[in-house]
Amino acid sequence: QSVLTQPPSVSGAPGQRVTISCTGSSSNIGAGYHVHWYQQLPGTAPKLLIYSNNNRPSGVPDRFSGSKSGTSASLAITGLQAEDEADYYCQSRDSSLSSYVFGTGTKVTVL
Amino acid sequence: QVQLQESGPGLVKPSETLSLTCTVSGDSVTSDNSYWTWIRQPPGKEPEWIGYIFYTGSTNYNPSLERRVTISVDTSKNQFSLRLTSVTAADTAVYYCARENINWFDPWGQGALVTVSS
Repeated sequence: QSVLTQPPSVSGAPGQRVTISCTGSSSNIGAGYHVHWYQQLPGTAPKLLIYSNNNRPSGVPDRFSGSKSGTSASLAITGLQAEDEADYYCQSRDSSLSSYVFGTGTKVTVL
Repeated sequence: QVQLQESGPGLVKPSETLSLTCTVSGDSVTSDNSYWTWIRQPPGKEPEWIGYIFYTGSTNYNPSLERRVTISVDTSKNQFSLRLTSVTAADTAVYYCARENINWFDPWGQGALVTVSS
């Protein structure tokens, strides 16, 4: 089981705002390691969505934003669209495990 | 743009060795600021970092897999490879190669499903 915990699912109507939490501990997020977020559309590879807590790669809409505080991080999607239906994973590094770690994943459903 | 493509057998027998190769285009595996990485994702689960290699041959592996994993690089072919020994059904997963940039992974290959079964 991953050391980064996410809610299994979140849902919202088109146009709404949803947030996904990523809860860690003092050996990963709380140790100051950056958090990165990935979007995985059905049947495809994960794609980088947010890097270093709150930065968007070129081409990622500004509807996606990230934040980090203490031992947790969050991904927010504003103006939810049907194409946002996907699995989302947070990722960081863990000093106790000496490894990169991924969150448990959250499935976003657009109602 | 940078593209990565995994290749290798899709079926491996228990106790045998899983071998995959990743071919890189649009970038060089000798790039000074890139670490070439393998990640796997069991069906219905989150991704798991396996390890990375730098073009000098320096490697770093997930301690949970370290005893069984070897990652190598072939600079002449612009490829890097994964070997995982003594596989079991628990190693069944989609295996991705990716480029690491300062602790995040981008881009990823399309993935290769490897099933461990007799």
